[in-house]
Amino acid sequence: EAQVTQNPRYLITVTGKKLTVTCSQNMNHEYMSWYRQDPGLGLRQIYYSMNVEVTDKGDVPEGYKVSRKEKRNFPLILESPSPNQTSLYFCASRVMGSSYEQYFGPGTRLTVT
Amino acid sequence: TQLLEQSPQFLSIQEGENLTVYCNSSSVFSSLQWYRQEPGEGPVLLVTVVTGGEVKKLKRLTFQFGDARKDSSLHITAAQPGDTGLYLCAGAPNSGYALNFGKGTSLLVTP
Repeated sequence: EAQVTQNPRYLITVTGKKLTVTCSQNMNHEYMSWYRQDPGLGLRQIYYSMNVEVTDKGDVPEGYKVSRKEKRNFPLILESPSPNQTSLYFCASRVMGSSYEQYFGPGTRLTVT
Repeated sequence: TQLLEQSPQFLSIQEGENLTVYCNSSSVFSSLQWYRQEPGEGPVLLVTVVTGGEVKKLKRLTFQFGDARKDSSLHITAAQPGDTGLYLCAGAPNSGYALNFGKGTSLLVTP
């Protein structure tokens, strides 16, 4: 089954404790991205990657890091989480090219206390 | 950058009613997509419209892309409780890589 998976689905952590949210897709998509979704603000892109070792900032990259060492994986790293990073996070992937049709993961709900 | 405005923000209707959700922008998009997101899940693509004036039907859902490719609408006929969810429009730019998402319309259909 074609899918994007994220882990963990739920995470409660404390300020300053480094964490990683994993994302993996099995569709051989070149393009992958991370979004956060907050009430009243909608989906905002954090980082994206057009292929292995190619990453770039989205609209809200501060406080986040990403890496793309393999085509299928695109982890999101919070080196020192803060309460304002409490949010619902989605990973998405798509084929590069004229179609922008994205496949989203199930989401990771992060709470930073 | 939020270039797409969706209206209404919230909509609560009874089963069997019709409704229309709007997605407007001052920018021109190469294509526009509609997604539905159910609670606890990620958005799922419903449709992509590409040509100005294009109309696509998906069972009881009708999607229209404006002639100038700046706006779109989603019409649901005879809404059912299973239509409940957050409807998101997203515009693909003429250049660049990132989709521009609207903030969504939250729809509740009660029996």
